[in-house]
Amino acid sequence: QQQVKQSPQSLIVQKGGISIINCAYENTAFDYFPWYQQFPGKGPALLIAIRPDVSEKKEGRFTISFNKSAKQFSLHIMDSQPGDSATYFCAASRGSTLGRLYFGRGTQLTVWP
Amino acid sequence: GAVVSQHPSRVICKSGTSVKIECRSLDFQATTMFWYRQFPKQSLMLMATSNEGSKATYEQGVEKDKFLINHASLTLSTLTVTSAHPEDSSFYICSAKGDRGTHRQPQHFGDGTRLSIL
Repeated sequence: QQQVKQSPQSLIVQKGGISIINCAYENTAFDYFPWYQQFPGKGPALLIAIRPDVSEKKEGRFTISFNKSAKQFSLHIMDSQPGDSATYFCAASRGSTLGRLYFGRGTQLTVWP
Repeated sequence: GAVVSQHPSRVICKSGTSVKIECRSLDFQATTMFWYRQFPKQSLMLMATSNEGSKATYEQGVEKDKFLINHASLTLSTLTVTSAHPEDSSFYICSAKGDRGTHRQPQHFGDGTRLSIL
Protein backbone atom coordinates (compact mmCIF):
# COMPACT_ATOMS: atom_id res chain seq x y z
CA GLN A 1 0.00 0.00 0.00
CA GLN A 2 1.43 3.33 -1.07
CA GLN A 3 1.54 5.48 2.04
CA VAL A 4 2.31 8.65 0.13
CA LYS A 5 0.59 9.31 -3.18
CA GLN A 6 2.27 11.66 -5.63
CA SER A 7 1.01 13.29 -8.83
CA PRO A 8 1.53 13.92 -11.64
CA GLN A 9 3.84 11.15 -12.79
CA SER A 10 5.38 13.45 -15.37
CA LEU A 11 5.27 17.19 -15.92
CA ILE A 12 6.40 19.38 -18.79
CA VAL A 13 6.78 23.09 -18.13
CA GLN A 14 8.03 25.99 -20.19
CA LYS A 15 11.07 27.85 -18.94
CA GLY A 16 10.01 30.56 -16.54
CA GLY A 17 6.77 28.78 -15.66
CA ILE A 18 5.61 27.34 -12.36
CA SER A 19 5.97 23.62 -11.69
CA ILE A 20 3.54 22.14 -9.18
CA ILE A 21 3.78 18.63 -7.74
CA ASN A 22 1.23 17.30 -5.30
CA CYS A 23 1.36 14.66 -2.60
CA ALA A 24 -1.21 13.20 -0.25
CA TYR A 25 -0.97 10.93 2.76
CA GLU A 26 -3.32 9.06 5.07
CA ASN A 27 -1.30 8.40 8.19
CA THR A 28 -1.79 11.31 10.57
CA ALA A 29 1.23 10.16 12.57
CA PHE A 30 3.52 11.49 9.84
CA ASP A 31 5.22 14.62 11.10
CA TYR A 32 8.07 15.35 8.71
CA PHE A 33 7.71 15.91 4.99
CA PRO A 34 10.84 16.30 2.85
CA TRP A 35 11.18 16.71 -0.89
CA TYR A 36 14.07 15.18 -2.79
CA GLN A 37 15.48 15.94 -6.24
CA GLN A 38 17.18 13.21 -8.20
CA PHE A 39 19.18 13.51 -11.40
CA PRO A 40 19.80 10.45 -13.62
CA GLY A 41 22.47 8.17 -12.19
CA LYS A 42 22.66 10.08 -8.92
CA GLY A 43 21.22 9.67 -5.47
CA PRO A 44 18.38 11.88 -4.25
CA ALA A 45 19.34 15.22 -2.76
CA LEU A 46 17.28 16.92 -0.06
CA LEU A 47 15.60 19.99 -1.50
CA ILE A 48 13.35 21.32 1.22
CA ALA A 49 11.34 19.91 4.12
CA ILE A 50 8.40 20.98 6.27
CA ARG A 51 6.75 20.07 9.55
CA PRO A 52 2.97 20.01 10.00
CA ASP A 53 2.92 23.01 12.32
CA VAL A 54 3.87 25.22 9.38
CA SER A 55 1.62 25.86 6.38
CA GLU A 56 4.27 27.11 4.00
CA LYS A 57 8.03 27.12 3.68
CA LYS A 58 10.04 28.88 1.03
CA GLU A 59 13.66 28.47 0.04
CA GLY A 60 14.65 30.43 -3.02
CA ARG A 61 12.48 29.35 -5.95
CA PHE A 62 11.15 26.32 -4.07
CA THR A 63 8.06 26.48 -1.84
CA ILE A 64 6.26 23.76 0.08
CA SER A 65 2.60 24.31 0.84
CA PHE A 66 1.13 22.12 3.56
CA ASN A 67 -2.56 21.49 4.28
CA LYS A 68 -2.82 19.47 7.46
CA SER A 69 -6.61 19.08 7.42
CA ALA A 70 -6.57 17.80 3.84
CA LYS A 71 -3.43 15.72 4.48
CA GLN A 72 -1.84 17.15 1.38
CA PHE A 73 1.37 18.96 0.58
CA SER A 74 2.81 20.31 -2.60
CA LEU A 75 6.03 21.59 -4.10
CA HIS A 76 6.01 24.74 -6.20
CA ILE A 77 9.01 25.61 -8.34
CA MET A 78 8.84 29.22 -9.44
CA ASP A 79 10.59 30.48 -12.57
CA SER A 80 11.37 26.90 -13.62
CA GLN A 81 14.68 26.43 -15.41
CA PRO A 82 16.00 23.68 -17.70
CA GLY A 83 18.45 22.79 -14.92
CA ASP A 84 15.46 21.89 -12.74
CA SER A 85 14.68 18.98 -15.06
CA ALA A 86 14.91 15.97 -12.75
CA THR A 87 12.77 13.51 -10.84
CA TYR A 88 11.20 14.83 -7.67
CA PHE A 89 10.11 12.67 -4.77
CA CYS A 90 7.96 13.68 -1.85
CA ALA A 91 8.31 11.68 1.34
CA ALA A 92 6.99 11.43 4.86
CA SER A 93 8.23 10.02 8.12
CA ARG A 94 7.07 9.61 11.70
CA GLY A 95 8.87 9.54 14.98
CA SER A 96 8.22 5.90 15.85
CA THR A 97 10.15 4.48 12.89
CA LEU A 98 13.66 5.92 13.35
CA GLY A 99 13.22 8.32 10.47
CA ARG A 100 12.23 5.75 7.85
CA LEU A 101 11.03 7.66 4.80
CA TYR A 102 7.92 6.68 2.89
CA PHE A 103 8.40 7.91 -0.67
CA GLY A 104 5.92 8.91 -3.32
CA ARG A 105 6.32 7.35 -6.77
CA GLY A 106 8.13 10.38 -8.15
CA THR A 107 7.46 13.07 -10.75
CA GLN A 108 9.66 13.45 -13.79
CA LEU A 109 9.90 17.16 -14.52
CA THR A 110 11.03 18.45 -17.90
CA VAL A 111 11.55 22.17 -18.34
CA TRP A 112 11.72 23.27 -21.98
CA PRO A 113 13.97 26.22 -22.83
CA GLY B 1 26.60 20.20 3.90
CA ALA B 2 26.53 16.59 4.98
CA VAL B 3 28.16 14.20 2.56
CA VAL B 4 27.57 10.50 2.11
CA SER B 5 30.04 8.63 -0.02
CA GLN B 6 29.05 5.40 -1.70
CA HIS B 7 31.55 3.11 -3.39
CA PRO B 8 31.83 1.71 -5.97
CA SER B 9 29.64 3.73 -8.30
CA ARG B 10 29.40 0.94 -10.82
CA VAL B 11 30.03 -2.80 -10.73
CA ILE B 12 29.84 -5.31 -13.55
CA CYS B 13 30.48 -8.92 -12.61
CA LYS B 14 29.66 -12.49 -13.42
CA SER B 15 26.75 -14.41 -11.99
CA GLY B 16 27.63 -16.10 -8.70
CA THR B 17 29.99 -13.36 -7.55
CA SER B 18 29.51 -11.61 -4.22
CA VAL B 19 29.64 -7.84 -4.33
CA LYS B 20 30.28 -5.45 -1.44
CA ILE B 21 29.04 -1.86 -1.49
CA GLU B 22 30.31 0.67 1.04
CA CYS B 23 28.45 3.66 2.41
CA ARG B 24 30.34 6.25 4.44
CA SER B 25 29.21 9.38 6.19
CA LEU B 26 32.10 11.77 5.72
CA ASP B 27 31.39 14.63 8.08
CA PHE B 28 28.87 13.35 10.60
CA GLN B 29 28.18 10.29 12.70
CA ALA B 30 25.39 8.20 11.23
CA THR B 31 23.52 6.32 13.90
CA THR B 32 21.10 4.99 11.32
CA MET B 33 21.72 4.02 7.72
CA PHE B 34 19.23 2.86 5.14
CA TRP B 35 19.69 0.76 2.03
CA TYR B 36 17.41 1.19 -0.96
CA ARG B 37 16.97 -0.41 -4.32
CA GLN B 38 15.68 1.56 -7.29
CA PHE B 39 14.48 0.22 -10.63
CA PRO B 40 14.44 2.48 -13.72
CA LYS B 41 11.84 5.24 -13.55
CA GLN B 42 10.57 3.96 -10.21
CA SER B 43 10.68 5.15 -6.63
CA LEU B 44 13.14 4.06 -3.98
CA MET B 45 12.32 0.76 -2.32
CA LEU B 46 13.62 0.40 1.21
CA MET B 47 15.50 -2.85 1.70
CA ALA B 48 16.74 -2.53 5.25
CA THR B 49 17.49 -0.20 8.13
CA SER B 50 20.70 -0.56 10.07
CA ASN B 51 21.72 0.94 13.37
CA GLU B 52 25.31 1.04 14.47
CA GLY B 53 26.24 -1.96 16.53
CA SER B 54 23.03 -3.91 16.04
CA LYS B 55 21.49 -6.21 13.47
CA ALA B 56 19.79 -4.70 10.48
CA THR B 57 16.02 -4.71 10.15
CA TYR B 58 14.95 -6.01 6.77
CA GLU B 59 11.78 -5.12 4.93
CA GLN B 60 9.31 -7.85 4.11
CA GLY B 61 10.38 -9.83 1.07
CA VAL B 62 14.06 -8.92 1.30
CA GLU B 63 16.28 -11.95 1.84
CA LYS B 64 18.64 -11.23 4.72
CA ASP B 65 20.96 -14.05 3.69
CA LYS B 66 21.14 -12.62 0.20
CA PHE B 67 21.72 -9.00 1.19
CA LEU B 68 24.11 -8.88 4.13
CA ILE B 69 24.29 -5.56 5.94
CA ASN B 70 26.96 -4.57 8.42
CA HIS B 71 27.01 -1.27 10.31
CA ALA B 72 30.16 -1.69 12.36
CA SER B 73 30.92 1.97 12.98
CA LEU B 74 29.17 5.32 13.12
CA THR B 75 30.54 6.23 9.70
CA LEU B 76 30.42 3.00 7.70
CA SER B 77 27.78 0.57 6.58
CA THR B 78 28.25 -2.13 3.98
CA LEU B 79 25.83 -4.09 1.82
CA THR B 80 27.04 -7.38 0.42
CA VAL B 81 25.03 -8.99 -2.34
CA THR B 82 25.93 -12.65 -2.01
CA SER B 83 26.05 -14.97 -5.01
CA ALA B 84 24.58 -12.28 -7.23
CA HIS B 85 22.41 -13.24 -10.18
CA PRO B 86 21.11 -11.18 -13.12
CA GLU B 87 17.85 -10.44 -11.29
CA ASP B 88 19.91 -8.64 -8.62
CA SER B 89 21.00 -6.08 -11.21
CA SER B 90 19.75 -2.72 -10.03
CA PHE B 91 20.66 0.70 -8.66
CA TYR B 92 21.44 0.44 -4.96
CA ILE B 93 21.43 3.61 -2.85
CA CYS B 94 22.34 4.16 0.77
CA SER B 95 21.35 7.00 3.04
CA ALA B 96 22.53 8.10 6.43
CA LYS B 97 20.88 9.97 9.24
CA GLY B 98 22.85 11.62 11.98
CA ASP B 99 22.23 12.39 15.63
CA ARG B 100 20.29 10.40 18.11
CA GLY B 101 16.85 11.59 19.05
CA THR B 102 14.57 13.28 16.62
CA HIS B 103 13.77 11.48 13.41
CA ARG B 104 13.56 14.83 11.69
CA GLN B 105 17.28 14.88 11.13
CA PRO B 106 17.47 14.81 7.34
CA GLN B 107 18.58 11.72 5.49
CA HIS B 108 21.49 12.28 3.17
CA PHE B 109 21.91 9.96 0.24
CA GLY B 110 24.91 8.53 -1.51
CA ASP B 111 25.18 8.68 -5.28
CA GLY B 112 24.23 5.05 -5.69
CA THR B 113 25.86 1.92 -7.09
CA ARG B 114 24.83 0.57 -10.47
CA LEU B 115 25.15 -3.21 -10.19
CA SER B 116 25.08 -5.24 -13.39
CA ILE B 117 25.29 -9.02 -13.18
CA LEU B 118 26.13 -10.80 -16.41
